[in-house]
Amino acid sequence: QFQLVQSGAEVKKPGASVKVSCKASGYTFSNHGFIWVRQAPGQGLEWMGWISGYDGKTNYAQKFQDRLTMTTDTSTTTAYMELRRLTSDDTAVYYCAKAGRMTTVPNFDSWGQGALVTVSS
Amino acid sequence: QSALTQPPSASGSPGQSVTISCTGTSSDVGGYNYLSWFQQHPGKAPKLIIYEVYERPSGVPDRFSGSKSGNTASLTVSGLQAGDEADYYCSSYAGSNTVIFGGGTKLTVL
Repeated sequence: QFQLVQSGAEVKKPGASVKVSCKASGYTFSNHGFIWVRQAPGQGLEWMGWISGYDGKTNYAQKFQDRLTMTTDTSTTTAYMELRRLTSDDTAVYYCAKAGRMTTVPNFDSWGQGALVTVSS
Repeated sequence: QSALTQPPSASGSPGQSVTISCTGTSSDVGGYNYLSWFQQHPGKAPKLIIYEVYERPSGVPDRFSGSKSGNTASLTVSGLQAGDEADYYCSSYAGSNTVIFGGGTKLTVL
């Protein structure tokens, strides 16, 4: 049974960074990748990027290129998403989901529970 | 890269059918058969209900069906039930290892 468990809610000040984790279990970590998606309050889903669990290769949405880093730790089967220089527009629920090992076609069949990140002074 | 276009809302009575559209371009919806639909209930994570245009994951009822013509994909929900009331999002591969989502459609069961 695939399971993704994310870290808890965070409150950050503008200009700070946040790092959200996504612990995977129930499958071979290196056979898949991860995507990160965010959802601002009352808004739709926004794809942020993808990372391979096989070789750590990444691909980020252009709007996040300069302040987003995705990593994985194969020893703990955990994926991480770090977003820097936060503003109030980054207030959202951040989701991880299981993706392809080498590509990010949207067959995202397992999702984490989401982590609320609130940016407020 | 703009979001795929979905109607903000759709509705139907129990037992009826409703179709939700998702319009993109030849660079995303029209260019690939990697088109998925997700169902999201309030406060919950999205759930995959259709992938690769018309494939259903195990456990998803056949009341949910997908199709595509040109740059527009469609999700049809037949035999509407109260539990189908949710937000629905389409998502397409957009080339260069990127994905794009639709703006979402709120389905109301009257």
